Amino acid sequence: GQNIDQPTEMTATEGAIVQINCTYQTSGFNGLFWYQQHAGEAPTFLSYNVLDGLEEKGRFSSFLSRSKGYSYLLLKELQMKDSASYLCAVVDSNYQLIWGAGTKLIIKP
Amino acid sequence: IAGITQAPTSQILAAGRRMTLRCTQDMRHNAMYWYRQDLGLGLRLIHYSNTAGTTGKGEVPDGYSVSRANTDDFPLTLASAVPSQTSVYFCASSEQRDTGELFFGEGSRLTVL
Repeated sequence: GQNIDQPTEMTATEGAIVQINCTYQTSGFNGLFWYQQHAGEAPTFLSYNVLDGLEEKGRFSSFLSRSKGYSYLLLKELQMKDSASYLCAVVDSNYQLIWGAGTKLIIKP
Repeated sequence: IAGITQAPTSQILAAGRRMTLRCTQDMRHNAMYWYRQDLGLGLRLIHYSNTAGTTGKGEVPDGYSVSRANTDDFPLTLASAVPSQTSVYFCASSEQRDTGELFFGEGSRLTVL
């Protein structure tokens, strides 16, 4: 079967750095997405990786290793507004999106 | 630009009743999707449409139906609601199916009693 694994919940301190990991086992790979979802709101796009390496976008960076079936989302200079769930999703060989359950990130002052 | 609009935002429904969740997009995207989101589970695809006039079944289609009469509208119908259909429902769209960024509506919270 296809599977996306993410930690259920993480806690970090305002101003710090946090890394949210995502491992996947899917039938093929055609890209990996990260989305942010604040409580009670819709998911919004953060990043897309299809090649190995690090993609940086402001305070957020996303890394991909296709050989290891692994990605992480790195958030720097954490702000209280970064408290949200972070969803990892993989596009499989049939171009279907497989979603992880999400990681709830709690930021403490 | 509104993006994707869903209605209603919240609804309480008696079991056995018929319910249609509406979804409209103004981005002229070809692909549209209906997902349900339940606590502790990832987004699960109910139905999708690659383009106007076509629809397909997702991971959890039973008890739901959709239509895509035009590019903008993609309603989701529960023919006879059951309590297990209590969930938050998200409509989404993308330029092409599953090859690009998804844009989500604000969600419809449905409670079936």
